[in-house]
Amino acid sequence: GENVEQHPSTLSVQEGDSAVIKCTYSDSASNYFPWYKQELGKRPQLIIDIRSNVGEKKDQRIAVTLNKTAKHFSLHITETQPEDSAVYFCAARLNQFYFGTGTSLTVIP
Amino acid sequence: DTAVSQTPKYLVTQMGNDKSIKCEQNLGHDTMYWYKQDSKKFLKIMFSYNNKELIINETVPNRFSPKSPDKAHLNLHINSLELGDSAVYFCASSPGTLNTEAFFGQGTRLTVV
Repeated sequence: GENVEQHPSTLSVQEGDSAVIKCTYSDSASNYFPWYKQELGKRPQLIIDIRSNVGEKKDQRIAVTLNKTAKHFSLHITETQPEDSAVYFCAARLNQFYFGTGTSLTVIP
Repeated sequence: DTAVSQTPKYLVTQMGNDKSIKCEQNLGHDTMYWYKQDSKKFLKIMFSYNNKELIINETVPNRFSPKSPDKAHLNLHINSLELGDSAVYFCASSPGTLNTEAFFGQGTRLTVV
């Protein structure tokens, strides 16, 4: 099956700075890579996704890049705000969703 | 108008009891899942059903038994609850195509005392 690794496990940034979270996957057949944000006590919710035929996708302050050759993808958040503080999960979809171990992001005002 | 709904939201029970968690989705999705999220926040797949048929059953004790009466429902029954079963359980659903997102329910926080 698929194995998804995610780094770092915790990340603290000053408000206004950028945050980068990186993931690698093992199965080259995976073709869909969503990113989820989970606020404390809430459900994971999709914030951005990328499909295997695309190298980069941007939505306002959030961007995701995918390198299929190296089998890694990254989440970039620019101009971070305190409300960006949450746990972020990457995932790779093969026959089901395989999640990374999560990154706890803290944005310090 | 909740897309994926789970009940109950909180469940506190004693060791050895049997309990069920219900999940329903109104999105018309073909695939439903159960995930367990422990205290370290890791989302571990437990079961995956496609059109009421079991697709994936990860290494889960056979005390856990999923039941899908129709493709809109996937319930989770747990027998002989143990302390280590305490976690948040999430139901999710997704369309049958491979490049679309999963939608999560609000989670059920199970506490075994």
